[in-house]
Amino acid sequence: NAGVTQTPKFRILKIGQSMTLQCTQDMNHNYMYWYRQDPGMGLKLIYYSVGAGITDKGEVPNGYNVSRSTTEDFPLRLELAAPSQTSVYFCASSYSMVGYEQYFGPGTRLTVT
Amino acid sequence: KQEVTQIPAALSVPEGENLVLNCSFTDSAIYNLQWFRQDPGKGLTSLLLIQSSQREQTSGRLNASLDKSSGRSTLYIAASQPGDSATYLCAVRPTGANSKLTFGKGITLSVRP
Repeated sequence: NAGVTQTPKFRILKIGQSMTLQCTQDMNHNYMYWYRQDPGMGLKLIYYSVGAGITDKGEVPNGYNVSRSTTEDFPLRLELAAPSQTSVYFCASSYSMVGYEQYFGPGTRLTVT
Repeated sequence: KQEVTQIPAALSVPEGENLVLNCSFTDSAIYNLQWFRQDPGKGLTSLLLIQSSQREQTSGRLNASLDKSSGRSTLYIAASQPGDSATYLCAVRPTGANSKLTFGKGITLSVRP
């Protein structure tokens, strides 16, 4: 049982490039989330999903897109990368939105130069 | 809007000391509160989840309490060890459909041998 896995661990992008951050969970959780963590700023929710085919915006969705075609996978797409998207990105999952713990992946450290 | 505050931002204690980490939140209408541990360069590991109807939860040397009316939670660590050195974050889940976790910025704990 691997939990929540993320790839890649590190990535450097040039301004204007695009990339997809991968997230997979093997706990059969319906709920999945993408956060970004900036130094001294805490975690901010980017997007979340309540099940396959259903996604919704979080607190800071601009510049990102998501899809959820399966229960296991929840990729995060960055289009036209900007320096403001330099951050550490965490994927998380939970059985339900209320009353259950969220489990986090190890993170992807992204630098945009 | 729910806000979560963790003060101080950093704490250094000698090994063996019992210590308390504080978390305060502005809106008492919450489903639950979760404490996480984050090691440098790693993801978040869930430590304890307290439901709104509970007063405390215990796991090993850790004890978390919740006082909704005053908007406070504490994480008590008994007999601290150098291996406890990490950043500790608390997060609250407000009431409401599809409500999301709101995180504090964390307390970075250093336990000196």
